Amino acid sequence: DGGITQSPKYLFRKEGQNVTLSCEQNLNHDAMYWYRQDPGQGLRLIYYSQIVNDFQKGDIAEGYSVSREKKESFPLTVTSAQKNPTAFYLCASIASGEPTEAFFGQGTRLTVV
Amino acid sequence: QQQVKQSPQSLIVQKGGISIINCAYENTAFDYFPWYQQFPGKGPALLIAIRPDVSEKKEGRFTISFNKSAKQFSLHIMDSQPGDSATYFCAANSGGSNYKLTFGKGTLLTVNP
Repeated sequence: DGGITQSPKYLFRKEGQNVTLSCEQNLNHDAMYWYRQDPGQGLRLIYYSQIVNDFQKGDIAEGYSVSREKKESFPLTVTSAQKNPTAFYLCASIASGEPTEAFFGQGTRLTVV
Repeated sequence: QQQVKQSPQSLIVQKGGISIINCAYENTAFDYFPWYQQFPGKGPALLIAIRPDVSEKKEGRFTISFNKSAKQFSLHIMDSQPGDSATYFCAANSGGSNYKLTFGKGTLLTVNP
C-alpha cells in the first residue's frame, strides 16, 4: 500500500538531547513537509522540501533541522536548541504540479522527560 | 501572519443537526482549498476540496461553499453524526514554485447523540 510512514509513534527526549524523527513515503511525491501540532495552534509548518537536496524553512524552523538526500525520505532532527519540543509532529507529502491532496503520516508524539 | 483564519475554535451540535465551519484567507494566489479531518492520535486526512472556479462542491453530507470576492469558504456537514466528531482544518495552497500548504487553527467538532 502506498503511503507515508512516520516512526517512532512515541518518542521521549531528555533535556539537551538531539532526536531524529523518521518520515518515509512510497507515493513518488516530490514535495514533503514537516508540521508541528500543539493544542489550539493548528498545524504549523517547520520545514518543507520540493526536490531532493533542497529544502526551505517554514514558519517555526528554529531549533529544527532536516535533510532530503532521497526522494522517499525527509527526516527531522529536533535539536537541543528547541526549548519546547513536546508536541505532535506530522509529516506530509504532495505530488508536484497542480495543487492537490496532501497525504499525512500517523504522527510522532515527542515528549521531553 | 496568519494567512488562513478559521472559526469557531470549537463547535457542539446535536445528532442530525448542521455543522458549519468558516475560513477566510488573505493571499489571492491561493487556488486550492481543502478541508482535512483529524481523529485523536491520527494524521489528518483529506475530506473534500474545492478550486476557485466553482462556488460550491458537495460530496455526500459534506459541502464546501466558496466566495471568491469575499475570500471566504466554509464547510457544511449535514445530518451530523457522532462519528463526525473530530478536528477539522481548512487549508489553502497555490501551485507554482512556492508549494506551501497553509492551515487554519482547526475546529473541534463534537456531535452529541
